[in-house]
Amino acid sequence: DIQMTQSPSTLSASVGDRVTITCRASQSINTWLAWYQQKPGKAPKLLIYKTSTLESGVPSRFRGSGSGTEFTLTISSLQPDDFATYYCQKYNGYSKTFGQGTKVEIK
Amino acid sequence: EVQLVESGGGLVQPGGSLRLSCAASGFSFNSYEMIWVRQAPGKGLEWVSYISTSGSPINYADSVKGRFTISRDNAKNSLYLQMNSLRAEDTAVYYCATFSPYRASGDWGQGTLVTVSS
Repeated sequence: DIQMTQSPSTLSASVGDRVTITCRASQSINTWLAWYQQKPGKAPKLLIYKTSTLESGVPSRFRGSGSGTEFTLTISSLQPDDFATYYCQKYNGYSKTFGQGTKVEIK
Repeated sequence: EVQLVESGGGLVQPGGSLRLSCAASGFSFNSYEMIWVRQAPGKGLEWVSYISTSGSPINYADSVKGRFTISRDNAKNSLYLQMNSLRAEDTAVYYCATFSPYRASGDWGQGTLVTVSS
């Protein structure tokens, strides 16, 4: 099975900072990668699918890139509402494995 | 408006069984593949199971294979997860979510808590 590894596990940043989260697949997943945001006590929310396609209503400060085995989620200017945990998910094939998550904390 | 409502969670003893349901509305349920995802307390998201629009193919995470069974009833707009031989490590909030190759998992339920404890 393909494993997904995110880094860092925790990230401390300030409002206005540019933030980058990395997700690595143990083998190529082409561009079949999604990113989710989750806040405490809430269901995950889809941000980006197919590596770089922004879900409707998601602010343009979120950007996804990559292909094959290495992917990134970039938040260009961190806003107060962005402090949350972020997960990548690979979805080629019949397994839809998540990364372990990256918690973005207030510095 | 898309709605997914999970039910059936609760407290169960180790070795016991539970059946989760996910009622779908606001979209063409029979056109969407579906997944179950769980989240243990304080932990990350774990994909549990996948089912195609017709009910086959299906797939499971290794951690639940042979113990959990996913199914759907398109006539009732419902998704199910039969969980047998439950263990303490199955304690989690269980979410159902839509899945599409064109939009990944764009819609989620609110989750239902399963607690496995004696």
